[in-house]
Amino acid sequence: TQTVSQSDAHVTVFEGDSVELRCNYSYGGSIYLSWYIQHHGRGLQFLLKYYSGNPVVQGVNGFEAEFSKSDSSFHLRKASVHWSDSAVYFCAVSPSYGGSGNKLIFGTGTLLSVKP
Amino acid sequence: AQTIHQWPVAEIKAVGSPLSLGCTIKGKSSPNLYWYWQATGGTLQQLFYSITVGQVESVVQLNLSASRPKDDQFILSTEKLLLSHSGFYLCAWSLGGTGGGEQYFGPGTRLTVL
Repeated sequence: TQTVSQSDAHVTVFEGDSVELRCNYSYGGSIYLSWYIQHHGRGLQFLLKYYSGNPVVQGVNGFEAEFSKSDSSFHLRKASVHWSDSAVYFCAVSPSYGGSGNKLIFGTGTLLSVKP
Repeated sequence: AQTIHQWPVAEIKAVGSPLSLGCTIKGKSSPNLYWYWQATGGTLQQLFYSITVGQVESVVQLNLSASRPKDDQFILSTEKLLLSHSGFYLCAWSLGGTGGGEQYFGPGTRLTVL
């Protein structure tokens, strides 16, 4: 059974601060790991993904994420946040083979609040 | 560029009434298509996916059905709404094959069942 855990329901930072949003997963096979952002009342936007290779992947708007096999983690980071980064962030895992490769399993989300 | 539209933007319906939600993708041929449900403040649950016209796979049974009548269209429906159907419905597309963990979402439809 695949699971995705986002331990922080809500993170509050000030504009210009750095931030790390945590994601841990449990899955025995080959997977894609991704991050999505959802502004209030809107659809989700794809930020970045990892499958293999360099464990640090770059995404849009200055976001990056680092994969760690030993920790089963895929944490999202940003060096300097802007108020417009306030949103809910979802980590997701997708098996990379067969029909189940069409399945995207989301974590419970982390609400990031950026104060001015 | 690919665009994804969902209709309607919002619906308020009575328990027991029928429902039809739609999704159209433009600018991409033969995409994989998906329906998701999101409870208020909650995570997303994949409901259905389709890799080709006329073929739909159910992921979770919630007394809903889905159809793909055209390559660029995905429909979610039910004949009888329940209170538990309230929420935010999102349509998404991805490239064919496994999708690669990368999906593109529409703006969503807010459904309130009273």
